[in-house]
Amino acid sequence: NAGVTQTPKFRILKIGQSMTLQCTQDMNHNYMYWYRQDPGMGLKLIYYSVGAGITDKGEVPNGYNVSRSTTEDFPLRLELAAPSQTSVYFCASSYPRDRVGEQYFGPGTRLTVT
Amino acid sequence: SQKIEQNSEALNIQEGKTATLTCNYTNYSPAYLQWYRQDPGRGPVFLLLIRENEKEKRKERLKVTFDTTLKQSLFHITASQPADSATYLCALAYGGATNKLIFGTGTLLAVQP
Repeated sequence: NAGVTQTPKFRILKIGQSMTLQCTQDMNHNYMYWYRQDPGMGLKLIYYSVGAGITDKGEVPNGYNVSRSTTEDFPLRLELAAPSQTSVYFCASSYPRDRVGEQYFGPGTRLTVT
Repeated sequence: SQKIEQNSEALNIQEGKTATLTCNYTNYSPAYLQWYRQDPGRGPVFLLLIRENEKEKRKERLKVTFDTTLKQSLFHITASQPADSATYLCALAYGGATNKLIFGTGTLLAVQP
């Protein structure tokens, strides 16, 4: 199993550009999450999904969109990139049993908006 | 709103000693709490989970305690090694069936040989 994979690893965007961060998991996990991590800050939840076709906002969703057409894939879309979106983005998945479960994280995408 | 606090300063200890990391939270009663390890440039890796009705959990050299009265969890690494040097994140579960987590800012542990 590859686990959770993310592409690209690094990206530089100009202000106003758009891009999609890809996330794929091969563990057949129902639940998937997108976080951003800024220096000295904890991980902040952007969006999450509890299954194909179901998505919901997390703590910091503004400026982002997601879709979940398959169990495996959970892409994060940035429209009109802003410098405030410079961060490291992590995708995670989990398979809770009895509402309890650890999350498996991808290696992250480091995004710079200039 | 929920607030989680971890030691913001780095923790430096000598090899072989026990490292103790603290996680305090307010305005919340989580059903369970998790600890993750994060190495530079990598995603967090799950270490241990402890439920609200459990006082202590162990895994090899790792031990976690959970005091819901004090609203505090302690994470211990016994016989620490330089390879244990990393940032350790505390995370509280919220949102019921959605399995959402709120993370602390992490504590950087440096084990000196």
